[in-house]
Amino acid sequence: AQSVTQLGSHVSVSEGALVLLRCNYSSSVPPYLFWYVQYPNQGLQLLLKYTTGATLVKGINGFEAEFKKSETSFHLTKPSAHMSDAAEYFCAVSDGGGADGLTFGKGTHLIIQP
Amino acid sequence: GAVVSQHPSWVICKSGTSVKIECRSLDFQATTMFWYRQFPKQSLMLMATSNEGSKATYEQGVEKDKFLINHASLTLSTLTVTSAHPEDSSFYICSAPDRYEQYFGPGTRLTVT
Repeated sequence: AQSVTQLGSHVSVSEGALVLLRCNYSSSVPPYLFWYVQYPNQGLQLLLKYTTGATLVKGINGFEAEFKKSETSFHLTKPSAHMSDAAEYFCAVSDGGGADGLTFGKGTHLIIQP
Repeated sequence: GAVVSQHPSWVICKSGTSVKIECRSLDFQATTMFWYRQFPKQSLMLMATSNEGSKATYEQGVEKDKFLINHASLTLSTLTVTSAHPEDSSFYICSAPDRYEQYFGPGTRLTVT
């Protein structure tokens, strides 16, 4: 069975500061990993995904994440936070790529302080 | 990119009535679609896998007689919440896979009064 742990239900950073959202997973097979962003009362938007190949993945809006198999982690980072980054962020894992439903972490609410 | 739509975007119904939510893949075909449920300020929980032309597969703890799923075509899956009760109030989101990516609908907010 898969599981995803997101450390910190709320993360607060100053505008312009580094954003680091943590995600650890467990999976019995090589995982497919995703980060999604959700704005209030909206659906999910894919930020980035890891399937195979390069472990450092770049996504939209300046976000990137690094797959570290030894640490079973897929942390999301952005060098400089912007006010528009304030949202809920979900890490998700799938065993079967796009063919299976996703297992989501509980989410991290990112707060940007002016 | 691929687009998934949901209808309605929000619905209010009275306790005891049934509500149907549609999920459509607009520019690709989806033999499989997924239905998720999200309670306020919580994560998404996979409810069921909708399979075109066959029965849906429900996750453990999800009542299949309460949440009826029909996947009648390669672009449409419907979720019917039968005999809705206030505890069914939630945000329902569908998704459809295209290659290695899941595309999510915008969600349907259900409020049962």
